[in-house]
Amino acid sequence: DAKTTQPPSMDCAEGRAANLPCNHSTISGNEYVYWYRQIHSQGPQYIIHGLKNNETNEMASLIITEDRKSSTLILPHATLRDTAVYYCIVRVAEYGNKLVFGAGTILRVKS
Amino acid sequence: GAVVSQHPSWVICKSGTSVKIECRSLDFQATTMFWYRQFPKQSLMLMATSNEGSKATYEQGVEKDKFLINHASLTLSTLTVTSAHPEDSSFYICSARAKRVLDGYTFGSGTRLTVV
Repeated sequence: DAKTTQPPSMDCAEGRAANLPCNHSTISGNEYVYWYRQIHSQGPQYIIHGLKNNETNEMASLIITEDRKSSTLILPHATLRDTAVYYCIVRVAEYGNKLVFGAGTILRVKS
Repeated sequence: GAVVSQHPSWVICKSGTSVKIECRSLDFQATTMFWYRQFPKQSLMLMATSNEGSKATYEQGVEKDKFLINHASLTLSTLTVTSAHPEDSSFYICSARAKRVLDGYTFGSGTRLTVV
């Protein structure tokens, strides 16, 4: 699976959009971009994934650049409960394929 | 949606004893589950892949005789930490594939193990 690079930490004001970047310059054509988050002392939570088109669900939006070398996770209206570690993972979507976590980005939402 | 239940959520045990952690997929069948370990302020480290009906596949550096994994059914995988030592104290998390291939994995809530 391709390697990803994320900033170690970010701050965001409550109610504002949080934009979390991820660099995956070595991504290959059959690899998807997945985002998870982990709130303190809990198991990770799936947020969203995409291949090349932008995606949106009830939690977030995922913007993938045309060359697929980077992406941005957008939380449109961050709340204090969105404070967590956010992980960007690139992997081939095959059943049984393991999920390997990098260091992630600590997002702190402040009032 | 897909739910993975992990039990217990926390456990304290004495050095030299064994501890079993259960991971169940509640509303779907999971032929493959994964076990992770997480130390404070660190990311999740994959320990092993648990395959129903066959032996687990361990990541490099993980002692298979110390961390016994059993995946006896399509909805249950167990991790047993044998002869636990204080350095085994950690947060253990399991995960399983959700129903659709493209869906993300669903994770259990984790087990905080403290060995005293």
